[in-house]
Amino acid sequence: GQSLEQPSEVTAVEGAIVQINCTYQTSGFYGLSWYQQHDGGAPTFLSYNALDGLEETGRFSSFLSRSDSYGYLLLQELQMKDSASYFCAVRAHNNAGNMLTFGGGTRLMVKP
Amino acid sequence: DAGVTQSPTHLIKTRGQQVTLRCSPISGHKSVSWYQQVLGQGPQFIFQYYEKEERGRGNFPDRFSARQFPNYSSELNVNALLLGDSALYLCASSPDIGYTFGSGTRLTVV
Repeated sequence: GQSLEQPSEVTAVEGAIVQINCTYQTSGFYGLSWYQQHDGGAPTFLSYNALDGLEETGRFSSFLSRSDSYGYLLLQELQMKDSASYFCAVRAHNNAGNMLTFGGGTRLMVKP
Repeated sequence: DAGVTQSPTHLIKTRGQQVTLRCSPISGHKSVSWYQQVLGQGPQFIFQYYEKEERGRGNFPDRFSARQFPNYSSELNVNALLLGDSALYLCASSPDIGYTFGSGTRLTVV
């Protein structure tokens, strides 16, 4: 089967930097995605890493190490609006077909 | 461009009833996936369809079924509803890597 582990909650202050880690176990790995979800809203795609290394998109960066089955999402210059749940998700092909498997989510609280 | 649209937005059903949820993907997207999200958890994969064919099925009972139409819209059907089926049902369309989710259908089973 597939499994992903990420911290359940993280708290940080405005302007700070926070890193959300994700470890995974899967077969047929294609890549690791990150999604943001505000309360009552739909998940929104943030980033995708298929190869090792760092991908930067504005204040957000995502990192992948395939050999360590590990990735992280880095959020810089935190703003209050960044308070949300963040999900890592593995894109894989296995017996169930093509699928995106999500972690349990990390609830980020940004304080003034 | 319209995003992924789902209907209805909210639904209340009684145990044992059947429900049909609908999804229209982004224009030009041929792949539709369905996810169930229980409060406080990550979305769980139910089905993926591409060009009207099932390409993936998650670990859900046979009470759950889906189909995709020639215009790439999709329906998710759940029979013999249980209290545990109460969740947010999300539809996602994808050209390749980044899935775009609809706002979901909030199903409450009483």
